[in-house]
Amino acid sequence: DGGITQSPKYLFRKEGQNVTLSCEQNLNHDAMYWYRQDPGQGLRLIYYSQIVNDFQKGDIAEGYSVSREKKESFPLTVTSAQKNPTAFYLCASKWGGGRGNEQFFGPGTRLTVL
Amino acid sequence: AQSVTQLDSQVPVFEEAPVELRCNYSSSVSVYLFWYVQYPNQGLQLLLKYLSGSTLVKGINGFEAEFNKSQTSFHLRKPSVHISDTAEYFCAVSGNNAGNMLTFGGGTRLMVKP
Repeated sequence: DGGITQSPKYLFRKEGQNVTLSCEQNLNHDAMYWYRQDPGQGLRLIYYSQIVNDFQKGDIAEGYSVSREKKESFPLTVTSAQKNPTAFYLCASKWGGGRGNEQFFGPGTRLTVL
Repeated sequence: AQSVTQLDSQVPVFEEAPVELRCNYSSSVSVYLFWYVQYPNQGLQLLLKYLSGSTLVKGINGFEAEFNKSQTSFHLRKPSVHISDTAEYFCAVSGNNAGNMLTFGGGTRLMVKP
């Protein structure tokens, strides 16, 4: 079965700790994305990557970091510099660079800072 | 720059009634338009998309949307809703920006009542 997996589903973090969210896809997609979802605000783009070993900041990249060492994997690290990290995080991927191509989404990770 | 406005944050409707979820966009270039659905604590799933051609687009689960260029709208409709349609719906636009990013609206929560 092809798809996108995100782990863990729920994550709790103490203030001041870094935490890494996993995103893996077996769709052979080139592009991958990380979004943050807060109630009533839709999805906001954190980082995206169109090719291995390359990634770009999105609209709200401060306090986050990513890597893209393999085509299948695009982990997101929420650092202690992110002031309000409690949110639902969604990973997505897309085949090719065409703007009409559909983005496929993972099931999400809910991060709560205690 | 591009933006998407979903005019209603919540839409309550009785089962078997028709529904319209409104979406307006702004963009300085031609756009591709998408509607996604999100069930509670899950990722997003594509309902339908408009790339070109016929302005009436049919999607999954009996939904359809009409692209209106003069009114810069892409409203989503269903003639008869079911309890299972209760979810959050997101309109998104893909313009000609770097990386062909999707810009999402704030979402509309459809609440179908028995």
